[in-house]
Amino acid sequence: ETGVTQSPTHLIKTRGQQVTLRCSSQSGHNTVSWYQQALGQGPQFIFQYYREEENGRGNFPPRFSGLQFPNYSSELNVNALELDDSALYLCASSLQGRETQYFGPGTRLLVL
Amino acid sequence: GENVEQHPSTLSVQEGDSAVIKCTYSDSASNYFPWYKQELGKRPQLIIDIRSNVGEKKDQRIAVTLNKTAKHFSLHITETQPEDSAVYFCAARPQGGGTSYGKLTFGQGTILTVHP
Repeated sequence: ETGVTQSPTHLIKTRGQQVTLRCSSQSGHNTVSWYQQALGQGPQFIFQYYREEENGRGNFPPRFSGLQFPNYSSELNVNALELDDSALYLCASSLQGRETQYFGPGTRLLVL
Repeated sequence: GENVEQHPSTLSVQEGDSAVIKCTYSDSASNYFPWYKQELGKRPQLIIDIRSNVGEKKDQRIAVTLNKTAKHFSLHITETQPEDSAVYFCAARPQGGGTSYGKLTFGQGTILTVHP
């Protein structure tokens, strides 16, 4: 088991609401990446945070935003939720400059 | 951007047989290729990875091969066991530092079932 943790484990929201997901990186890891995994698909890169700044972004709209804190933990915020946002949201931590990413258990979001 | 295609989508083998999963990528600048195993309801776990300066890497029953010219890489599992049953994902990462480091592009996944 890796040291990456995520909360909450499950979440149910309604369309139009906002949600905040949290990730604590593995000890010593300074970089956090977020992925969206729809059912039956591979994870899709949302963005990465390093030194408290967004450091690369995938093809996701601005209503997906994030934060990184001085202790390297991170939040993913999604505004104006849509039904298609229902997915497993994974964070992965790594050391900047190293390729290996370790995933957390994910937060399963259901938008009704 | 990078596009990763993975085949087959499902693979069924008998215990003890070998399993091979293949991926192709589009961006010739990609230089890091990890494989993840995801059991039902669990996190993806890195099982092996390869960098573009290496053609093959082996770890016990698992091996990965890379053909940079053809832009494809494969996962080989020998002497399969029922506990190998899971979804396997390949991924590719573009070359370069900075904003590229975290951006893994994943294949669609292969559901491997090993029958006892």
